[in-house]
Amino acid sequence: TQLLEQSPQFLSIQEGENLTVYCNSSSVFSSLQWYRQEPGEGPVLLVTVVTGGEVKKLKRLTFQFGDARKDSSLHITAAQTGDTGLYLCAGAFSNFGNEKLTFGTGTRLTIIP
Amino acid sequence: NAGVTQTPKFQVLKTGQSMTLQCAQDMNHNSMYWYRQDPGMGLRLIYYSASEGTTDKGEVPNGYNVSRLNKREFSLRLESAAPSQTSVYFCASRTGQGWGYGYTFGSGTRLTVV
Repeated sequence: TQLLEQSPQFLSIQEGENLTVYCNSSSVFSSLQWYRQEPGEGPVLLVTVVTGGEVKKLKRLTFQFGDARKDSSLHITAAQTGDTGLYLCAGAFSNFGNEKLTFGTGTRLTIIP
Repeated sequence: NAGVTQTPKFQVLKTGQSMTLQCAQDMNHNSMYWYRQDPGMGLRLIYYSASEGTTDKGEVPNGYNVSRLNKREFSLRLESAAPSQTSVYFCASRTGQGWGYGYTFGSGTRLTVV
């Protein structure tokens, strides 16, 4: 079973600050996704990264895929209260024909106004 | 709105009772999934269906059965509920092609077994 570790587990910062959360594995991902989940709702896909070294930006969110495709980071610039939520990474591994994702346990982010 | 619809949203069962969680998607996706989410455990795959007519076990299938009724619907059945099955259950379908894909999730069913 492939494992994904996310850090930190919990993060609480003031509005306007910057932050980075991490997703790591000992296995190579074929692709990696980031989701945000709000209380009482299902996860919502933010981005999928596929190529080692890839960087994608979504407004104030920057996603980076490690060169070796074993890790990823999510950086938020000038955090807002609307960024509060559970951030999940999910990795797809090279099990061709076996279309499943493995999810990390998440980083619970709280932005304090 | 297009998406994944789950029913019911909340359910309380007594130990030993059975129930079926319903899931339907209107995006014409081939692959559908059932996950459970528990505190500190993340999302764990129960069963999945790569296409209509096929189902496969995931990481935690014991105590569950599934039916892919047609392309739209994928149901999860608990035959004899146990307190260990208290959890939030999410259905998802897969969007996109190749490796650059993602999941669309329903809003979940919160199940309590007493």
